[in-house]
Amino acid sequence: GENVEQHPSTLSVQEGDSAVIKCTYSDSASNYFPWYKQELGKRPQLIIDIRSNVGEKKDQRIAVTLNKTAKHFSLHITETQPEDSAVYFCAAQFGNEKLTFGTGTRLTIIP
Amino acid sequence: EAGVAQSPRYKIIEKRQSVAFWCNPISGHATLYWYQQILGQGPKLLIQFQNNGVVDDSQLPKDRFSAERLKGVDSTLKIQPAKLEDSAVYLCASSLVSSGGYEQYFGPGTRLTVT
Repeated sequence: GENVEQHPSTLSVQEGDSAVIKCTYSDSASNYFPWYKQELGKRPQLIIDIRSNVGEKKDQRIAVTLNKTAKHFSLHITETQPEDSAVYFCAAQFGNEKLTFGTGTRLTIIP
Repeated sequence: EAGVAQSPRYKIIEKRQSVAFWCNPISGHATLYWYQQILGQGPKLLIQFQNNGVVDDSQLPKDRFSAERLKGVDSTLKIQPAKLEDSAVYLCASSLVSSGGYEQYFGPGTRLTVT
């Protein structure tokens, strides 16, 4: 089955700086890669996703890049703000098989 | 549109007791998921329904966990008997279809503590 590794497990950045979270996946057939944000005590919410036929996708301060050859994808947050503090999960999926989540990255934005 | 509803929000039980969780997905969503999220980990899929049929229950501990979605809408997840290691947040999610690329919407979760 699919295995998703996520790094780092914790990340602290100064407000206004950029944050990068990286994930690798094992199943080369995976073709859908969403990122979820989970604030303390709240439900995971989708913030951005990318499909395997695209190398990069941006949405305001958030971007995701995908390298299919290396089987890794990354989340980039620019101009970080205090409200970006949360746990971020990457995930990978092939077709209608189950979504496999990474172990999460706790991002702390230092004011 | 209304989101995914779950109840109860919190539950504390002793080991060997039974517990049941309820989920009401977003109206019109054919696919329903139950996840277990242990503290400090990502959600792990327990079972996935497409309408009222099971698509994937490979990670469901079937000796103690059961789930049903009889009419293809609401779903219940039961644990009997509970163990200490079942302490976790149980998340229900739904999506329009199960194919990749369709967003899964999560409910608020049920925090289970087994003592």
